[in-house]
Amino acid sequence: QSVLTQPPSVSGAPGQRVTISCTGSSSNIGAAYDVHWYQQLPGTAPKLLIYGNSNRPSGVPDRFSGSKSGTSASLAITGLQAEDEADYYCQSYDSSLSGSVFGGGTKLTVL
Amino acid sequence: EVQLVESGGGLVQPGRSLRLSCAASGFTFDDYAMHWVRQAPGKGLEWVSGISWNSGSTGYADSVKGRFTISRDNSKNSLYLQMNSLRAEDTALYYCAKDSSVLPGYAFDVWGRGTLVSVSS
Repeated sequence: QSVLTQPPSVSGAPGQRVTISCTGSSSNIGAAYDVHWYQQLPGTAPKLLIYGNSNRPSGVPDRFSGSKSGTSASLAITGLQAEDEADYYCQSYDSSLSGSVFGGGTKLTVL
Repeated sequence: EVQLVESGGGLVQPGRSLRLSCAASGFTFDDYAMHWVRQAPGKGLEWVSGISWNSGSTGYADSVKGRFTISRDNSKNSLYLQMNSLRAEDTALYYCAKDSSVLPGYAFDVWGRGTLVSVSS
């Protein structure tokens, strides 16, 4: 069981909008630690997609956005494209564990 | 070009040891914390261990605490993971990742391609 909870899968048609949730607790997201999101394309290493809850690294399209509220965070992808099909992970810091924690990952399928 | 290259993986018997290395280039290594993250076959990402820029602070996942030791040599731009008493459940692709901060616990903005560790008799 992951410390951060994500839905195992989400799907959407090209051009649609999808969201992926990440639920934590008072020792991580709820303790004001930032949430970061990663995209992992099949057979490749993870890539930083969103940092500090809602910031995009250079080169990440503005179709990707992040938000955080209370003990949860969300990743939204608008204008869904075939190349967005990948696994997505949220990550934060947990004060009880004194370390970083990941969500279990969400597989995005573009229909 | 910012790059992390892992090495040292392989097939090892349960109970034996292995030392992973990560060579960093293209950035000022001693300005950042570093991490090891693993991914078992077909599974999600699991943070393993992190170390601050000056080795003053380290952290470990409960699953490896007491068995694994993270270290770094800033003079060699290298990160290490000494893995002892290996178990079958340690089988995974091990990634080296750069933190975007001096202290471990923020976003991992650069990742290596990983080195595969298989623990089996």
